[in-house]
Amino acid sequence: DAGVIQSPRHEVTEMGQEVTLRCKPISGHNSLFWYRQTMMRGLELLIYFNNNVPIDDSGMPEDRFSAKMPNASFSTLKIQPSEPRDSAVYFCASSLIAGGGETQYFGPGTRLLVL
Amino acid sequence: TQLLEQSPQFLSIQEGENLTVYCNSSSVFSSLQWYRQEPGEGPVLLVTVVTGGEVKKLKRLTFQFGDARKDSSLHITAAQPGDTGLYLCAGAHTGNQFYFGTGTSLTVIP
Repeated sequence: DAGVIQSPRHEVTEMGQEVTLRCKPISGHNSLFWYRQTMMRGLELLIYFNNNVPIDDSGMPEDRFSAKMPNASFSTLKIQPSEPRDSAVYFCASSLIAGGGETQYFGPGTRLLVL
Repeated sequence: TQLLEQSPQFLSIQEGENLTVYCNSSSVFSSLQWYRQEPGEGPVLLVTVVTGGEVKKLKRLTFQFGDARKDSSLHITAAQPGDTGLYLCAGAHTGNQFYFGTGTSLTVIP
């Protein structure tokens, strides 16, 4: 079975450019999470969706970040304009909502470098 | 804001040794999970604990949830090089929104 799929796996861009990260969750999962991981701050939750609806976006750093989930099988995280401090590994994860404490399945991550 | 502090941050041990990793918070969690992350990959769930005082064993790994559900520990017996990785605890207050700890990077030397 396919796990969480993320693309691209690596992205190198210049400051000021728009970056779009993509995620396909596991089929049947109804929660989707976007995380950012850096050495300094560890793994941070940016935003999560239940049934395609954003539930909590308090972790989104600023207005330059936006996330969408147009349907149950696709989500995007966009950074516009990008800055060097956005360099990090961005993970997408999916799970069932159920009663809570469900297993989150992580994708392989997108390694973003903003020059 | 880091709700979960892990210690130690880095740990390097010889194969065959035992070790314990700690995950502490001032908050009460409804459930707590432990993940392991290998270089270049996403975290993978090891265990979920939900009851205060609960102990779960997974082969050489023993997980304990504190009685007050504010802290947890992971004990590895007879560590092997394959145990090398970043260990992350994650706590949830309600629902399925988890807050991840600061992480413990473990290296097991053959």
